Amino acid sequence: DAGVIQSPRHEVTEMGQEVTLRCKPISGHNSLFWYRQTMMRGLELLIYFNNNVPIDDSGMPEDRFSAKMPNASFSTLKIQPSEPRDSAVYFCASSPTSGGTNEKLFFGSGTQLSVL
Amino acid sequence: GQQVMQIPQYQHVQEGEDFTTYCNSSTTLSNIQWYKQRPGGHPVFLIQLVKSGEVKKQKRLTFQFGEAKKNSSLHITATQTTDVGTYFCAPSGSARQLTFGSGTQLTVLP
Repeated sequence: DAGVIQSPRHEVTEMGQEVTLRCKPISGHNSLFWYRQTMMRGLELLIYFNNNVPIDDSGMPEDRFSAKMPNASFSTLKIQPSEPRDSAVYFCASSPTSGGTNEKLFFGSGTQLSVL
Repeated sequence: GQQVMQIPQYQHVQEGEDFTTYCNSSTTLSNIQWYKQRPGGHPVFLIQLVKSGEVKKQKRLTFQFGEAKKNSSLHITATQTTDVGTYFCAPSGSARQLTFGSGTQLTVLP
């Protein structure tokens, strides 16, 4: 199994530009999570999907952030326009959620985003 | 998500010494997971605790869930340089989402 695949690994962009982060979850997993990690705030849950449907997006910082999951094998996180304070590592994770309890999360390698 | 306090924030130990990190909540937790993140890496699942008073061991790592299910700990016996990283607790609730504690960053000095 290839694991959770994220792209790009690194992204450097200028303030005001649009940024799109991509994620391919593990095949068969029906829950997908986007996290942001910074020194100041740690690991923050931005949004999670279950069966391709956004369940909770209360962690999305503001309207500049949007996430989609058009099918079971692909998700995107878009920032438009980007700002320097968006600089962080963005992780995607998937899990084979079943029943009423949480299954473990499998994380991708992350995207290191730098907004200049 | 449920909020937890994780302490200490940083810990430096000599190789061979023991290490413990604690995860405390003001509310009762349904269950709790532990993850390890190596420097420059991504979080990797270690274990999940579900039952009150549960104790689980993985080689030199011992995980405990408090009787009241409000706290948890991870203890490493005789640390090695391969134990370096940040250890996170992640309480999970019925909403099927996980929030992470602030983590304990462990440095092991050879």
